[in-house]
Amino acid sequence: DGGITQSPKYLFRKEGQNVTLSCEQNLNHDAMYWYRQDPGQGLRLIYYSQIVNDFQKGDIAEGYSVSREKKESFPLTVTSAQKNPTAFYLCASSISSGAEAFFGQGTRLTVV
Amino acid sequence: GENVEQHPSTLSVQEGDSAVIKCTYSDSASNYFPWYKQELGKRPQLIIDIRSNVGEKKDQRIAVTLNKTAKHFSLHITETQPEDSAVYFCAASISVDSSYKLIFGSGTRLLVRP
Repeated sequence: DGGITQSPKYLFRKEGQNVTLSCEQNLNHDAMYWYRQDPGQGLRLIYYSQIVNDFQKGDIAEGYSVSREKKESFPLTVTSAQKNPTAFYLCASSISSGAEAFFGQGTRLTVV
Repeated sequence: GENVEQHPSTLSVQEGDSAVIKCTYSDSASNYFPWYKQELGKRPQLIIDIRSNVGEKKDQRIAVTLNKTAKHFSLHITETQPEDSAVYFCAASISVDSSYKLIFGSGTRLLVRP
C-alpha cells in the first residue's frame, strides 16, 4: 500500500526533548514531504524535498528540522523549540514535486 | 500568500443524494489538483486528480471540475453511500522557483446518512 513507511506509529516524549520521526520510501520517488495534521485544520506543510541533499521550508517549519542524505529517507526532528508539538505527522512522497503524493500511515506524537 | 480554501467544513447528505465540495486556490501557475479521502485513523488516499489542461474528469461516481479562470475546482460525488463518509481534502500544486509543492485545503467532513 504505497511503499512508504513511517515509524513509530505512536510516540511519547517529555517536554523539552528532541524527537526524530522516521520516513522511508522504496518507490524511487524524488520528492518527499512532511505534513502536520491537527483536528479541523487539514494538512499543513512543514518541510519538503525535491531531490536528495536539498530541502525547503514549508508553511510551519519553525521548531522542526529535516535532512535528505539518501533518496529513500527523509527524517523529521521535532525540537524543543516547537511550542506545541503534539500532533499527527504524515510523511508523503511523489515521483516529482507537485505530482501525486503517496502517504505513510502517520506518527502520532504526544508530548507530556 | 499561497493558500487553498475549502468549503464546506462539514457536509451531511442523505444516502443516494449528491455531495459537492469546493476549493479555490491563489497561484495562477498551479497545474495539478488532487483530491484525497481520509477515513478515521487512516492515511489520506488519492481518489481523483485533474491537471490544468483539462476542465473535467470523471471516475464512476466521482467527478472533478476545474475553472482556471476563476481559480476554483470542485469534487462531485453522486449516489452517495455510507462508506463515502470520511474527510476529503483538496490540494493544489503551488509553484516555487522551478518546482512545485502540494498545499492542502482544511478538509471537509462528509457524513452520508443511511
